Amino acid sequence: AQSVTQLDSQVPVFEEAPVELRCNYSSSVSVYLFWYVQYPNQGLQLLLKYLSGSTLVKGINGFEAEFNKSQTSFHLRKPSVHISDTAEYFCAVTRRNNAGNMLTFGGGTRLMVKP
Amino acid sequence: DTAVSQTPKYLVTQMGNDKSIKCEQNLGHDTMYWYKQDSKKFLKIMFSYNNKELIINETVPNRFSPKSPDKAHLNLHINSLELGDSAVYFCASSRGGEGFYEQYFGPGTRLTVT
Repeated sequence: AQSVTQLDSQVPVFEEAPVELRCNYSSSVSVYLFWYVQYPNQGLQLLLKYLSGSTLVKGINGFEAEFNKSQTSFHLRKPSVHISDTAEYFCAVTRRNNAGNMLTFGGGTRLMVKP
Repeated sequence: DTAVSQTPKYLVTQMGNDKSIKCEQNLGHDTMYWYKQDSKKFLKIMFSYNNKELIINETVPNRFSPKSPDKAHLNLHINSLELGDSAVYFCASSRGGEGFYEQYFGPGTRLTVT
């Protein structure tokens, strides 16, 4: 089985500052990795995904993440945040060749962008 | 045009009742899912289903049963509701087949059991 740990439950940051949301995973097999965003009272939206290839992946809204296999991490970064980035962010994994493609999520990190 | 829709958006009911949540996707996807998000925002897969196979998370009580009348719909029926069933339930869909395909989520159904 795999598991995902998001080390920070809340991250307060000022507008236009850089931010990093941390994600570590545990799995005995190769995985695919994802970041999802959930705005208040809405469903989840895919920010970015790592399937293979370059370990630095770019997503929507200026976010990027770097896959580090040795550290089993997939941290999410943005060089300059906006008020509109305030939301809950979820890191998730699924095993390669996983029947059903079911995602395992971390506990979420609430990003709070202050003016 | 909503890609993945769920009804109702809110559902308040009493313990012991039986209720259903409906999900529809107009994306032509083969695979649909149900996730549960508890009060602490923790998300957990419940089911994955396509025309050929139902994958059940073994921790889901058998009071929960997915029902799929066709490829575009996956409803969630819950028997004998308990207080602990209070949560937000999300439906999602994706293409099927080998490899991974992005999952598209519905807006969620907030279930409150009193």
